[in-house]
Amino acid sequence: EDKVVQSPLSLVVHEGDTVTLNCSYEVTNFRSLLWYKQEKKAPTFLFMLTSSGIEKKSGRLSSILDKKELFSILNITATQTGDSAVYLCAVEFWSGGGADGLTFGKGTHLIIQP
Amino acid sequence: KAGVTQTPRYLIKTRGQQVTLSCSPISGHRSVSWYQQTPGQGLQFLFEYFSETQRNKGNFPGRFSGRQFSNSRSEMNVSTLELGDSALYLCASREPNTGELFFGEGSRLTVL
Repeated sequence: EDKVVQSPLSLVVHEGDTVTLNCSYEVTNFRSLLWYKQEKKAPTFLFMLTSSGIEKKSGRLSSILDKKELFSILNITATQTGDSAVYLCAVEFWSGGGADGLTFGKGTHLIIQP
Repeated sequence: KAGVTQTPRYLIKTRGQQVTLSCSPISGHRSVSWYQQTPGQGLQFLFEYFSETQRNKGNFPGRFSGRQFSNSRSEMNVSTLELGDSALYLCASREPNTGELFFGEGSRLTVL
């Protein structure tokens, strides 16, 4: 059975700290790994990763994929209270008729304290 | 450009009833997928539609069904509601060039 496991499930840090969120996966016919940020509403897209070893950056956020070891990390530097959210990792895989739906991890609930 | 629109945003039903949720994708997006989000199970894939055809289906009972119309709008239906169907139902449409998923705000269903 395909699965996506995120760790830690929850994390509390102080503003200014750097955090690393982990996502490991076991899927067949891997297509891509995606990170989303979810506050009190719809998940918003952060990154899509398809190739190993290529870091994607957006401001204080960055992510990298290791397709050999089947994991990805999401780093957030100089955290701010606005970074408080649930961070979701999802893996997309191919099926015969097109891409399957995403398999999501349970998420990491990140709380940034002032 | 309008985002993904889901209606209704909130609804309360009782066990045994049925419910229909609607999703209008971003203009130009032909793929629509549905997800159920609960505190215990997280986000789970329900099904995906493309050009009015169901392309993939997750591991949900037959009480969960959906359809897509020629204008790419999609509906999902849950019949014979159970307490465990209480959840946030999210719809997402896929950008055809990049494959990125854009989520709607969700329909929060409470079954009493």
